[in-house]
Amino acid sequence: NAGVTQTPKFRVLKTGQSMTLLCAQDMNHEYMYWYRQDPGMGLRLIHYSVGEGTTAKGEVPDGYNVSRLKKQNFLLGLESAAPSQTSVYFCASRRQGNSNQPQHFGDGTRLSIL
Amino acid sequence: KQEVTQIPAALSVPEGENLVLNCSFTDSAIYNLQWFRQDPGKGLTSLLLIQSSQREQTSGRLNASLDKSSGRSTLYIAASQPGDSATYLCAVRRNTDKLIFGTGTRLQVFP
Repeated sequence: NAGVTQTPKFRVLKTGQSMTLLCAQDMNHEYMYWYRQDPGMGLRLIHYSVGEGTTAKGEVPDGYNVSRLKKQNFLLGLESAAPSQTSVYFCASRRQGNSNQPQHFGDGTRLSIL
Repeated sequence: KQEVTQIPAALSVPEGENLVLNCSFTDSAIYNLQWFRQDPGKGLTSLLLIQSSQREQTSGRLNASLDKSSGRSTLYIAASQPGDSATYLCAVRRNTDKLIFGTGTRLQVFP
C-alpha cells in the first residue's frame, strides 16, 4: 500500500550539478504532478502529466525538465542546479475522469543547492 | 490571477476547543476547493474536497463549508485534540488541472 513514493528523500547539490528526482505511484493513476514548496509561498506547480508520454508546463517550469516514459513514474530533472532551486519538492497523482478526484501526495524530497 | 489566502497563519489552542480555519480566494470561478493536512516532514493528506455546486462536506470532526460568491471557505474542527496539530492547507481548482494553494495555517493543540 505504498501510494506515491519519492526518491531520494534528501539531497545536497553544488551549484551547476545535475540530478533527477523520481516519483513512483502504484495506484494506476493517469495524472501526475511536480510541485515545489517554499516558505511563505505555498505549493507551486512545476510540471504535470496527463498520461504516459505527455507532459505540460505548470506555474514555475523554468530550470526543470520532466519525463513520463512509464505510467507509474514521473521524473523531474535539474540540468544545472541553482541556489534558487533549494526547496522541498512534492509529487502527486490522481485518477483520470471525474475532475473532482483528489490528488495524492508523496512525502517530499528536500533539496539544498550550495 | 487567482490568489488564495489563509488566516490566521498560526493558531495555538487548548485541547477540546472548537476552532475555525479560514481560506479566501479572489476568483469565484472555481471547480472545487480542497483542504489538506500536512505533518512536519511529510506530504499532504487530503481531508475534504468540496465541489463548486456543494455548500459543505463533513468527515468525522471536520466540516468544511464553501461560499463561492464571497470567495470563502472555512474548515471547522470540533473538540480539537493534540493529534490535530499540523499545518492545514486549502487549494482551489479552476477549469484547468491545476491547484492554487494557500500558504497554510499552522495549528498547535496543547493538552
